[in-house]
Amino acid sequence: GENVEQHPSTLSVQEGDSAVIKCTYSDSASNYFPWYKQELGKRPQLIIDIRSNVGEKKDQRIAVTLNKTAKHFSLHITETQPEDSAVYFCAAYNNNDMRFGAGTRLTVKP
Amino acid sequence: NAGVTQTPKFRVLKTGQSMTLLCAQDMNHEYMYWYRQDPGMGLRLIHYSVGEGTTAKGEVPDGYNVSRLKKQNFLLGLESAAPSQTSVYFCASSYTSIPTTQYFGPGTRLLVL
Repeated sequence: GENVEQHPSTLSVQEGDSAVIKCTYSDSASNYFPWYKQELGKRPQLIIDIRSNVGEKKDQRIAVTLNKTAKHFSLHITETQPEDSAVYFCAAYNNNDMRFGAGTRLTVKP
Repeated sequence: NAGVTQTPKFRVLKTGQSMTLLCAQDMNHEYMYWYRQDPGMGLRLIHYSVGEGTTAKGEVPDGYNVSRLKKQNFLLGLESAAPSQTSVYFCASSYTSIPTTQYFGPGTRLLVL
């Protein structure tokens, strides 16, 4: 089955800096890659996603890039704010099978 | 709309006891999912349903059973709880099959002693 690895496990940045989280996947048939933000004690919330036929997608300060050949995708957050502090999960999907990465704890220092 | 709700929010079980977690959605979604989330491991799919009366196994189905008798409800059962089932359980639903947004419930924290 699919295996998703996520790095780094923790990330600390200064407010206003950029943050990058990277994920790799193993199944070349995976065709959908969402990113979720989860605040402490809360439910995961979709923040951005990308399909396999697209290389990049942007939504305000958040962007995701996908390299199908290398089987990796990344989340980019620019101009980070303290409210961006949370755990971020990547996932890869194929045929009713959604596999998640282990998560990255992002801390944005004011 | 309440979205996706889960009952109960928190439960403590003794090893060997049984219980049922209820997930309800009022968005007329066809697809529903049960995940478990353990520290440092992200979410793992237990079972899912593609419509009323259907269920299928996910990545980690052992020790769990599910039922989808009504479109809006998806039940997760533990017949004989084990400490390894201590986890936070999230239900989710989506209008169609992914890729489409999955909406998550607030979670149920289960502790098995």
